[in-house]
Amino acid sequence: EAGVTQFPSHSVIEKGQTVTLRCDPISGHDNLYWYRRVMGKEIKFLLHFVKESKQDESGMPNNRFLAERTGGTYSTLKVQPAELEDSGVYFCASSQGVVHLGRSPLHFGNGTRLTVT
Amino acid sequence: KNEVEQSPQNLTAQEGEFITINCSYSVGISALHWLQQHPGGGIVSLFMLSSGKKKHGRLIATINIQEKHSSLHITASHPRDSAVYICAVAQGAQKLVFGQGTRLTINP
Repeated sequence: EAGVTQFPSHSVIEKGQTVTLRCDPISGHDNLYWYRRVMGKEIKFLLHFVKESKQDESGMPNNRFLAERTGGTYSTLKVQPAELEDSGVYFCASSQGVVHLGRSPLHFGNGTRLTVT
Repeated sequence: KNEVEQSPQNLTAQEGEFITINCSYSVGISALHWLQQHPGGGIVSLFMLSSGKKKHGRLIATINIQEKHSSLHITASHPRDSAVYICAVAQGAQKLVFGQGTRLTINP
């Protein structure tokens, strides 16, 4: 079984540019999550999809961030325009069932390291 | 103050030692996850707990819901156990709140 894959693994862009991160969850996983770790801080929740619907986007920092999951398969996270404080590692995770009940483990991707200069 | 606090933040030990990493949280939760991240690698889920104790190989995780505390133990530690260990609690619907992680280094 292929794991959660993220692309690219690294991205270096200039302030003001646009970057799109992609996440392919494990096949059949309805739940897809985006998380972010900025330097020296803990990982923080960004948003959660159930299939193609946004279940919870309370962690999205501002309207420069746009996440989509058309067709309920892979997801993209676009940052436009990027700012210096957006630098960090963006993780995607997927699960088959509900995470909060402790019944379904989370499967994480290797992350995308974004550097905004 | 973070809702999830881990201690210690850094831990260095010799191969073979018994390791304990602690996690305290201040919010009501429905489940707690222990995660592992090797340098340059992705995050792997080790355990998810809602009560009691779980064991997998040399790893043991316990949780005390009343005291809002969980521990991750590693017996007979090995250099390949060197990694960042992260505690995360499931709060509300599906949101996870993460601790800052404990960087563990096991020297041969």
